[in-house]
Parts: sequence; C-alpha cells; structure tokens
Amino acid sequence: SQELEQSPQSLIVQEGKNLTINCTSSKTLYGLYWYKQKYGEGLIFLMMLQKGGEEKSHEKITAKLDEKKQQSSLHITASQPSHAGIYLCGADIGGQNFVFGPGTRLSVLP
Amino acid sequence: DSGVTQTPKHLITATGQRVTLRCSPRSGDLSVYWYQQSLDQGLQFLIQYYNGEERAKGNILERFSAQQFPDLHSELNLSSLELGDSALYFCASSVVDGEVETQYFGPGTRLLVL
Repeated sequence: SQELEQSPQSLIVQEGKNLTINCTSSKTLYGLYWYKQKYGEGLIFLMMLQKGGEEKSHEKITAKLDEKKQQSSLHITASQPSHAGIYLCGADIGGQNFVFGPGTRLSVLP
Repeated sequence: DSGVTQTPKHLITATGQRVTLRCSPRSGDLSVYWYQQSLDQGLQFLIQYYNGEERAKGNILERFSAQQFPDLHSELNLSSLELGDSALYFCASSVVDGEVETQYFGPGTRLLVL
C-alpha cells in the first residue's frame, strides 16, 4: 500500500476552470513536496511545505499543508493547457523515509 | 533545462549484467538524489549523497550502489540486473535557501533490461 495517497487519480477539466488535487498521508509529514511531470520526462519541482497551515503560491498554483500535517492540497486557478501533466506529491515521513504518491494525471481541454 | 545532466539517456542490457548511470549536478549543488520510476512501483527514492557522503537511504536494493565523487558528480551502479529493474532512473540536485530545499531533476536514464 502507498504511504501517500492522491486524489483524484486523473482529472479532465476545461480550460479556465479551477481544480484541486489532494495528497493524504497516514503519517506526519515533515516536509511535503509537489512536482509536475510531463510523461516520460523529469520532474519539475513546484513547491515545498513544512509547517502546518503553511500555504504557498507560484503563478496560478497554490499549495497548502493542513494543520495536522497529514494532508496537502494543490489548487490551480484558471487552468491552461500548459498545466497538463502528472502531479506528484512527495513527502519526508521521518526516519530517512521519503515517499511519493502515485500521481494525478491532469488534462486541460482547450 | 534544469542544469542537471544524466548519461546515458537510454540503456538496453541483458539480465545479469551491470550498468553505471552518471549524474552531474547543477554547479554548486552539494546534494545528489537518485530515484527510480517504474510503472508498477511508481517513483521511489533510492539514496541521497551530500558533499561526497551518504546522507539518506531509501528503497535501494543491495544489488545497487552509488557514490558521489570529489567533483560532486554521482554514479549509480546497478548489478545482477533483473527484468524488474527496467525503469526510469532520475537524479536530482538540490539547493537550500533558509528552510526551503529545492530539487532540480535531470532528464533521466531509461533502462531496459531484456
């Protein structure tokens, strides 16, 4: 079983729509990372969250780590075709364990 | 372009063989991470080096080993290869700014074991 779960598994939205991707852990998150990956390519680091309640934004993407530090959400505002790809969360769950979620595949229709 | 380079881009080999994957981090980055991404297991953290020393170990098999050299480039050695080792292998280097560590990923090496 995965230490990190992501929902939804895949998402198809119309350009201009907002969307949210969730990442949930059964363990405390000491650091939560969001990445974007184009199929078969390397990962692009988006942002990192460490403190409960922390929220960060980059362009039209906002990520938040909940107070209990076991869940994070990634929100995209006014989605564009350039946002399409696979979004992965990764986390430091302590004890030198760094794990990744299975990814959420996002398609944005023009 | 992240500034992290990996060679080779593709590698095809046979079971039982040994291969070496190479990673050059961004100039000045002291940390190098290795990851494996496969269809069945997703993305997994293998190992991290910092300035030549092993810092963290993830799901790295005993058949695999890595090292970071004085010039900070790193190599991942995979031996006694099995079909299941076929995967994309990424390395990343990182920079720390205050409390935030940003990782920059290379384009990956696609390994196919036949």
